[in-house]
Amino acid sequence: GAGVSQSPRYKVAKRGQDVALRCDPISGHVSLFWYQQALGQGPEFLTYFQNEAQLDKSGLPSDRFFAERPEGSVSTLKIQRTQQEDSAVYLCASSRRQDLNTEAFFGQGTRLTVV
Amino acid sequence: SQQGEEDPQALSIQEGENATMNCSYKTSINNLQWYRQNSGRGLVHLILIRSNEREKHSGRLRVTLDTSKKSSSLLITASRAADTASYFCATAPNTGFQKLVFGTGTRLLVSP
Repeated sequence: GAGVSQSPRYKVAKRGQDVALRCDPISGHVSLFWYQQALGQGPEFLTYFQNEAQLDKSGLPSDRFFAERPEGSVSTLKIQRTQQEDSAVYLCASSRRQDLNTEAFFGQGTRLTVV
Repeated sequence: SQQGEEDPQALSIQEGENATMNCSYKTSINNLQWYRQNSGRGLVHLILIRSNEREKHSGRLRVTLDTSKKSSSLLITASRAADTASYFCATAPNTGFQKLVFGTGTRLLVSP
């Protein structure tokens, strides 16, 4: 596809369940970002990959959150033992350059609801 | 935590009017970007202004940047109902690792 693709679009998880969110960035894009967006708020940075290297994970809220991009393309954000405060939209973005002197392309997001 | 704040939080105007949104940020930046988000959808890049630029235009959009005041404004001229969305500013730092830091957003409603 031409854009960033995220799956699933919607996920309902029972508290304590593990979830995995997938991001397919635009082909050839070097940089990949994960953001968390609570209702009515702006996106909050979670983590950043440059190719397969996770260069910044300072935004991950706890050690229950884990992200990987093993081959420098598709990325997975995993949340273990989900809690209600994890309910949010998780956005993935990619950019063709290592720096941010160019636009980032966002996916439609995955809306996670923990019940 | 979020870098900046946008003002106003919500704006309601009629079609054909101009809409102005302001963004303030806290740290030194390499560039500032504006994004639009329609309800339930991802963010779409609108415009990027570098720290050494003061004004930039793209179609009906005009962005200004004042690095001394750490603020930016987005002007949408001759607004349309299709412009109804949330608008976010995002800053790219000039030091450290690369990440866009978003503001809190302005919800714009354009009525026909």
